[in-house]
Amino acid sequence: DIQMTQSPSSLSASVGDRVTITCRASQSISSYLNWYQQKPGEAPKLLIYAIFSLHSGVPSRFSGSGSGTDFTLTINSLQAEDFATYYCQQSYSTPRTFGQGTKLEIK
Amino acid sequence: EVQLVESGGGLVQPGGSLRLSCAVSGFTFSSYWMHWVRQAPGKGLVWLTRMSGDGSATNYADSVKGRFTISRDNAKNTVYLQMNSLTVEDTAVYYCARAESMAGRSLDYWGQGTLVTVSS
Repeated sequence: DIQMTQSPSSLSASVGDRVTITCRASQSISSYLNWYQQKPGEAPKLLIYAIFSLHSGVPSRFSGSGSGTDFTLTINSLQAEDFATYYCQQSYSTPRTFGQGTKLEIK
Repeated sequence: EVQLVESGGGLVQPGGSLRLSCAVSGFTFSSYWMHWVRQAPGKGLVWLTRMSGDGSATNYADSVKGRFTISRDNAKNTVYLQMNSLTVEDTAVYYCARAESMAGRSLDYWGQGTLVTVSS
């Protein structure tokens, strides 16, 4: 199975800040890396697929980068609605696996 | 509008069974792989299983293989998760999700989730 490791596990930031979350796969997953956002009591929502492609309706302050095994989610100019938990996921092989999540909290 | 609506969750005793349903609308159901993902209270997302659009192919996580069965009825636009031999560790919110092959096989739409509680 491919292990996905996110860092940090939690992060405190302020509105307007730029934050970066990293995700490392235990083996190469080509471009099959996705990012999801989840708010308390809600289902996850797709943010970014295939490393850097924004899902429909996702603001352009979100961006993704990386290749092979190392990937990054960047949020520019944090907004109040961005405070949530973020998960990376590989769709390269089964079992599909998620990172453990990064909780982004207000400082 | 794409919609996925889960149902069938509830309280079940250890060793019991439950069948979850996920009714979808707004897209050509038979053209998509469908997945189930769960989330234990306060924990992260765990992928469970998937089924191809025509129902001919399935994959399972080791943690549920042999206990859970995914199925679908394309005439009813519904995917199911039959869960047997439930343990307290299966307590979680269960989500169904659509996989979009044109979007990196990502899970682009999710249901709202249904809570399964395994307790005596």
